[in-house]
Amino acid sequence: AQKVTQAQTEISVVEKEDVTLDCVYETRDTTYYLFWYKQPPSGELVFLIRRNSFDEQNEISGRYSWNFQKSTSSFNFTITASQVVDSAVYFCALSEARWGFQKLVFGTGTRLLVSP
Amino acid sequence: NAGVTQTPKFQVLKTGQSMTLQCAQDMNHEYMSWYRQDPGMGLRLIHYSVGAGITDQGEVPNGYNVSRSTTEDFPLRLLSAAPSQTSVYFCASSSGQSNQPQHFGDGTRLSIL
Repeated sequence: AQKVTQAQTEISVVEKEDVTLDCVYETRDTTYYLFWYKQPPSGELVFLIRRNSFDEQNEISGRYSWNFQKSTSSFNFTITASQVVDSAVYFCALSEARWGFQKLVFGTGTRLLVSP
Repeated sequence: NAGVTQTPKFQVLKTGQSMTLQCAQDMNHEYMSWYRQDPGMGLRLIHYSVGAGITDQGEVPNGYNVSRSTTEDFPLRLLSAAPSQTSVYFCASSSGQSNQPQHFGDGTRLSIL
């Protein structure tokens, strides 16, 4: 069965601090996809990144970076020099390719509070 | 670009009432899904559809019905609302490939009294 664990329920940082959100997943499939979504206080879900299981290259997008390690089944998300606008709930999600389409399994989310 | 449109945004029901949450997408996506979001539990899949006329159950389907008569629309029906169905409901759509991100609507906040 597939499972996503986000052990950090809530993280509080001061602006300009770096912060890492952890994501650990379980799957029996060899081909799968990992996602991060952001849910700001307004409530919508915003897609941030997708990573394929066969591509372990880390990715950087501005202040955001993602570290994918198959050996530890982790897909961690780092925000560098955090800003107040980063305050949101962040969800990690997993999709197994065997379904032929996307059935997302979400973690329980990490609430990030960035104070000025 | 409308994307995924959910109506209503808010709704209050009494126990035992029925209602339909509407979801429409204008991206010609084959796949559509309904999720519910509850505090501390993330989002859980209720029902999904892989195309017009085809639906299937997700992780938490009890108490909900769906149908998919057109590519664009995927309504979610609560047959007899219960307080346990108080939640935020999200509709999503995506193309046919499992590596493509799902596009989410803005959600419907539903309270059952």
